[in-house]
Amino acid sequence: DGGITQSPKYLFRKEGQNVTLSCEQNLNHDAMYWYRQDPGQGLRLIYYSQIVNDFQKGDIAEGYSVSREKKESFPLTVTSAQKNPTAFYLCASSIVWGGNEQFFGPGTRLTVL
Amino acid sequence: KNEVEQSPQNLTAQEGEFITINCSYSVGISALHWLQQHPGGGIVSLFMLSSGKKKHGRLIATINIQEKHSSLHITASHPRDSAVYICAVRSRRWDDKIIFGKGTRLHILP
Repeated sequence: DGGITQSPKYLFRKEGQNVTLSCEQNLNHDAMYWYRQDPGQGLRLIYYSQIVNDFQKGDIAEGYSVSREKKESFPLTVTSAQKNPTAFYLCASSIVWGGNEQFFGPGTRLTVL
Repeated sequence: KNEVEQSPQNLTAQEGEFITINCSYSVGISALHWLQQHPGGGIVSLFMLSSGKKKHGRLIATINIQEKHSSLHITASHPRDSAVYICAVRSRRWDDKIIFGKGTRLHILP
């Protein structure tokens, strides 16, 4: 079955630690995205990648980093510089950048203690 | 003011009721999406609209481009329809950005 996987579903980290969230897709999509969701707010774009080996900052990139070394994979690192990292993180992909339909992963809920 | 506004924020209804969720936006768009987010957190796409009306099962989505307004209707609602429904628009700006509404939390009582 084609789709997007994110792991783990729940993640706990101590304050000051970096943590990497996994996102893998087998849809052969060129574009991938990371969003953050907070209670009572719409999804906000952290980073996006239009194609392998390329990525761009979204609206709230500070304190985050990404890589896109393989087409299938777009990991997100939440660094200690992120002031308020506790949130629900969603990864998505689309056939191409600007492609009208995005497919979402199941999400990772990160809690920083 | 948010560029995408949804109403109501929360909605509780009895099983079988006709449900309407509204979305208004203030930017030029190339497409509007309705998404469903279940309690587990995963998001699925329900509809993509650029004009008119679409129907899938008990779900109907309409859009009025001139009025910058869309509605999502659920007929014969069921407890399994309980979810957060999110309106998102793809703007016509240079960056092709998708702008998400805050969502409408729907709870259908049996």
